[in-house]
Amino acid sequence: DIQMTQSPSFLSASLGDRVTFACRASQSISRYLNWYQQKPGRAPSLLIHTAVTLQSGAPSRFSGSGSGTEFNLTITSLQPEDFATYYCQQTYSVPETFGGGTKVDIK
Amino acid sequence: HVQLQESGPGLVKPSETLSLTCSVSVDSINSYYWSWIRQAPGKGLEWIGYISYTGHTNYNPSLKSRVTISLGPSANQFSLKLSSVNAADTAVYFCAREDITVFSSRLGPWGQGTLVAVSS
Repeated sequence: DIQMTQSPSFLSASLGDRVTFACRASQSISRYLNWYQQKPGRAPSLLIHTAVTLQSGAPSRFSGSGSGTEFNLTITSLQPEDFATYYCQQTYSVPETFGGGTKVDIK
Repeated sequence: HVQLQESGPGLVKPSETLSLTCSVSVDSINSYYWSWIRQAPGKGLEWIGYISYTGHTNYNPSLKSRVTISLGPSANQFSLKLSSVNAADTAVYFCAREDITVFSSRLGPWGQGTLVAVSS
């Protein structure tokens, strides 16, 4: 199985901050990498697919970068609704696997 | 805008079979792939497997011996069966549409999830 490692596990930030968090794959996955946002008690919601493509309807302050084994998700200006947990997912090979998540809290 | 909704028992006894159904807000499932994902309390996400609209399945090897995903019982539904459950199978179970192409694969939309507890 391809292991996905996210860092940091927790991040405290303020409204308006620019934040970036990372996802690393245990082997190259090209750009078969998705990012999801999950709020407490809710299902995950797709933000970014294919590493860099913003999902239709997702706010433009979210952006993804990377390929191979190293990926980043950036939020340019944190909004109140962005405080949530973010998961990366590789779909390069079965089983599809998720990272452990990065939880973004209010500082 | 497609919507998905999971249904099934919220409590299953150890060693028994967990059965869930996902209802999709379309007349029939005639395209895409349809997936199950679970999340143990306070934990991350685990992909269980998917079925295509043609009935092709792919499962997580860690669960493969116990999992069956099938189309039906109605034309707009697909189902999950997980046999010989134990406490480690206690989780919120999500169904989702999976859009698979040569260049990408992504999950969405998702159902709201249903909590299944394994306990005697």
